[in-house]
Amino acid sequence: KAGVTQTPRYLIKTRGQQVTLSCSPISGHRSVSWYQQTPGQGLQFLFEYFSETQRNKGNFPGRFSGRQFSNSRSEMNVSTLELGDSALYLCASSLRVSTYEQYFGPGTRLTVT
Amino acid sequence: GQQVMQIPQYQHVQEGEDFTTYCNSSTTLSNIQWYKQRPGGHPVFLIQLVKSGEVKKQKRLTFQFGEAKKNSSLHITATQTTDVGTYFCAGLTGTASKLTFGTGTRLQVTL
Repeated sequence: KAGVTQTPRYLIKTRGQQVTLSCSPISGHRSVSWYQQTPGQGLQFLFEYFSETQRNKGNFPGRFSGRQFSNSRSEMNVSTLELGDSALYLCASSLRVSTYEQYFGPGTRLTVT
Repeated sequence: GQQVMQIPQYQHVQEGEDFTTYCNSSTTLSNIQWYKQRPGGHPVFLIQLVKSGEVKKQKRLTFQFGEAKKNSSLHITATQTTDVGTYFCAGLTGTASKLTFGTGTRLQVTL
């Protein structure tokens, strides 16, 4: 089976812009979770989608949003980018909900200048 | 909110030495997962522990879940350079039903 894929892999944006990141889970996986990874804060949970519904949400401002499509692919959007949003954004898919083994994608490295 | 701390933050060992990382939660966990992230890579699932006092082994790696289900440990016997990376625990609480990742322990192994 193909692994979790994320696009783009690298992105440079300017403060104030918005960005959309995409994640394609492993075939058959219905749960997609998003994480932000920074050197200072570690791996922080953004949100989880299961069957097109947001199942859980982390403690991030409303500028961070996401959605899941009927084919389980997911997107996350960050509006009004800030310098502090520079991070590695990881997507993980799971066969059922995220309480099960998660398979991570390679991540999207976002740099905000 | 739930917090999961890991100690140490960083450990440097010589190949052949043992290594242990400890994971402590502020709340009781339903289960705990362990992941390894190689430098420049993404986290890879290692194992999940569910029962109080559970011990599982994977070759040189031994995982334990505390009796009170608030702590866990990963022990690596006779480290190798291939063990280099950051090890994360991730705890699940029943009410939140979401994983909270620990702060991670970065392991460096030199010859």
